[in-house]
Formats: sequence, C-alpha cells, structure tokens
Amino acid sequence: GALVYQYPRRTICKSGTSMRMECQAVGFQATSVAWYRQSPQKTFELIALSTVNSAIKYEQNFTQEKFPISHPNLSFSSMTVLNAYLEDRGLYLCGARGGNTEVFFGKGTRLTVV
Amino acid sequence: GQQVQQSPASLVLQEGENAELQCNFSSTATRLQWFYQRPGGSLVSLLSNPSGTKHTGRLTSTTVTKERRGSLHISSSQITDSGTYLCAMEQGTGSKLSFGKGAKLTVSP
Repeated sequence: GALVYQYPRRTICKSGTSMRMECQAVGFQATSVAWYRQSPQKTFELIALSTVNSAIKYEQNFTQEKFPISHPNLSFSSMTVLNAYLEDRGLYLCGARGGNTEVFFGKGTRLTVV
Repeated sequence: GQQVQQSPASLVLQEGENAELQCNFSSTATRLQWFYQRPGGSLVSLLSNPSGTKHTGRLTSTTVTKERRGSLHISSSQITDSGTYLCAMEQGTGSKLSFGKGAKLTVSP
C-alpha cells in the first residue's frame, strides 16, 4: 500500500536555530507534496505545495527564505524551519500524492522551540 | 474567509448513538477527505470521495459537490471513536487541501 514516512516525529530546538524534517513516499510516486502546519489551537495551514517539474508555490505568510523545501525526486521531500522562534512551534505534516489518488500524510513532526 | 466550515464544533454522544458531522465549503471542490486526528496529532485518513457516498465499516461519507457540502456519518458510536474529526477539501489535482477547524466528538459509556 501507499505510505508516507515522516521524521523526526518530534524535535526540540533552541530559539534562533534551524531544524529539518523529511518525508519519504513508499509504494507510490509522489508527484506533488504539500507541507502543512498546525499551530496550537488552530487547524492545518498550507505552507507550500511542491510539484515535480514546477516551481514550489508558497502560501501567503510563508516564504522560501523561512521554510526552504526540497523535492528532488518522486519519493522524497524535506523542509527546513530556519531561525525557529516560539511562533513556529506546532505540528508539521507532509501530504503527498501521485496522480489522481487521495493525499497520503506522514505522521507529522512536532516542533517545540525553547 | 474560512473555506471549509465544519459543524458542529463539538458533539457529545452516548455509546451506541449515531454521529453526523457536516462540512460546507465555499468554493468548488474536486474531492472531500475526512480525517481522524489522533491525540498525538497524526492524521488517519478515513474516507475520500469526489462525490456520492462511500462506506467503510461504521463510517459513511457523502459528498454533494454541486451543493458544496459533505457529511460523515458514524453509526453505533463507540468510546474509542472519541477524538477530533477533520474535513479537508481538495481543489485541483495537487496535494493542496484546505482543512476545516475540526469537530470534537466525545462518546461516553
């Protein structure tokens, strides 16, 4: 079956430092990958959508300078949170799909900033 | 404004009762997907359908795309069904989903 492995599951970083999270698609080719964040007491917000052979599209309030994303092939994507501060804490999810299937999600990376 | 509206925001049931969760979306959707969010935060995909009705176990998802609404019916609710249910709307064929704020279901004995 189709699966998305996301790691790390949780991480703690010091304010002002950066952390990287990764997603691996298994059992399908991830032609598009979207990264989301769920801040405390909020629903999921889309950070950016990456489609193979297209430019990565960031949503308003999110920038490549702050959340650089790599999607080098059809099975892997990573996102870095640069200079993390308190407002960046939350649960980060990657969702991937190939073709016209449903979106498959990783289990999320919970970021705590201290 | 919020593209996906879920109602009710919370629901309390007794074990065995049925639950009906609604989802309304403000623009054209190609698919509606329902998720259960575990206490740790990870999402479990429950049902996904572009239109019509789909069943799995005690769950039934109905999507009426033209009317921009969908629902998730949980029959004979169990205590372990307690948690947050999220509706997400998909537009186009990318991985981009717009999520509702979720519906918190509590099932008591």
